[in-house]
Amino acid sequence: AQSVTQPDIHITVSEGASLELRCNYSYGATPYLFWYVQSPGQGLQLLLKYFSGDTLVQGIKGFEAEFKRSQSSFNLRKPSVHWSDAAEYFCAVGAAGNMLTFGGGTRLMVKP
Amino acid sequence: NAGVTQTPKFQVLKTGQSMTLQCAQDMNHEYMSWYRQDPGMGLRLIHYSVGAGITDQGEVPNGYNVSRSTTEDFPLRLLSAAPSQTSVYFCASSWTSGGDTQYFGPGTRLTVL
Repeated sequence: AQSVTQPDIHITVSEGASLELRCNYSYGATPYLFWYVQSPGQGLQLLLKYFSGDTLVQGIKGFEAEFKRSQSSFNLRKPSVHWSDAAEYFCAVGAAGNMLTFGGGTRLMVKP
Repeated sequence: NAGVTQTPKFQVLKTGQSMTLQCAQDMNHEYMSWYRQDPGMGLRLIHYSVGAGITDQGEVPNGYNVSRSTTEDFPLRLLSAAPSQTSVYFCASSWTSGGDTQYFGPGTRLTVL
């Protein structure tokens, strides 16, 4: 069965600092990997996704993520965080014919 | 294009009451799903549908029913509400299954007293 672990429940960074959110997955074959963002009181919005090819994927709002098969990881990064990035971030794994499995989420707080 | 819409936005029920959460999409997506979101547990799949007339159970289906009579609509029914069903419910749709981008509705916050 597929599973996703986001080890950090809460992260606080200063505005302008770099950010890395961790995601580890378990899946038997090559997975499809996603990062979604949820602003307070809102639904989820796709940030980026990885299906195949280049292991470094670019997303919206200046985010990127790197797929590392050897580490079963798909960490999300941003070089300089803005106050508007404060939200909850979810990593998810899926595959053709299967539905998505989400991690527990990481809540990001941004200090001025 | 309204995308995925959900009604109501908020609902308070008493234990034992029944209700239906509505979900509609106007993107002609085949796949639709219902998730519940609880603190620290991410989103867990309740039920999903791969097309009109076809539904299946997800990770946490107990206490919920679904049907899919049209491509557009995918209502979620709580048969006899329990406090453990207090949660935020999200409906999502996509062209295909877990390998595709899912589009989420704004959610329904349900409280069962």
